[in-house]
Amino acid sequence: LAKTTQPISMDSYEGQEVNITCSHNNIATNDYITWYQQFPSQGPRFIIQGYKTKVTNEVASLFIPADRKSSTLSLPRVSLSDTAVYYCLVGDVLTGGGNKLTFGTGTQLKVEL
Amino acid sequence: SAVISQKPSRDICQRGTSLTIQCQVDSQVTMMFWYRQQPGQSLTLIATANQGSEATYESGFVIDKFPISRPNLTFSTLTVSNMSPEDSSIYLCSAVEGGDQPQHFGDGTRLSIL
Repeated sequence: LAKTTQPISMDSYEGQEVNITCSHNNIATNDYITWYQQFPSQGPRFIIQGYKTKVTNEVASLFIPADRKSSTLSLPRVSLSDTAVYYCLVGDVLTGGGNKLTFGTGTQLKVEL
Repeated sequence: SAVISQKPSRDICQRGTSLTIQCQVDSQVTMMFWYRQQPGQSLTLIATANQGSEATYESGFVIDKFPISRPNLTFSTLTVSNMSPEDSSIYLCSAVEGGDQPQHFGDGTRLSIL
């Protein structure tokens, strides 16, 4: 069973870059790494997904080292509205369950003025 | 990306009763999943809802307690049977459009058992 761990919480200020790391030592060959943002009373919202190296979209970057045993979500210039819980998910949706879809423990990001 | 709607959004139920949660997707999807999220905690996969066949359950979850249906490529239901206070949680549905696409989630059903 993959064990996926994240820091419990992080604090930042508006305009700063925030990097949240996820550790997934037991990642399998076919597994993707996906990051989600969750606000209270809402479902997780997709941020970014990657398999290896670096992926960038309009809201974030995802850095994955060669051994793929960790990943880092980078949020440039955060604002108050980025205050949320961030989850990494490791797994392969095509093969579905069998303990192959494992959410991280979640990181509560708090952004202040 | 697919838009996922869940009904009901919340409910308060008596112990010993059952509740069926519906998940509707606005487009055909290949995979659908059901998760549980207890307050302040991460998400735990309950099962994969297979279209036209029995769901695939994760360790710790059984069909008698959480029967799942998926009659077509856009709809699934999860029933929480013979509820007890320990079943109080948020139940979330997710869907994958295909290939290596990510899961997208509904906003969940908040269930409280008295």
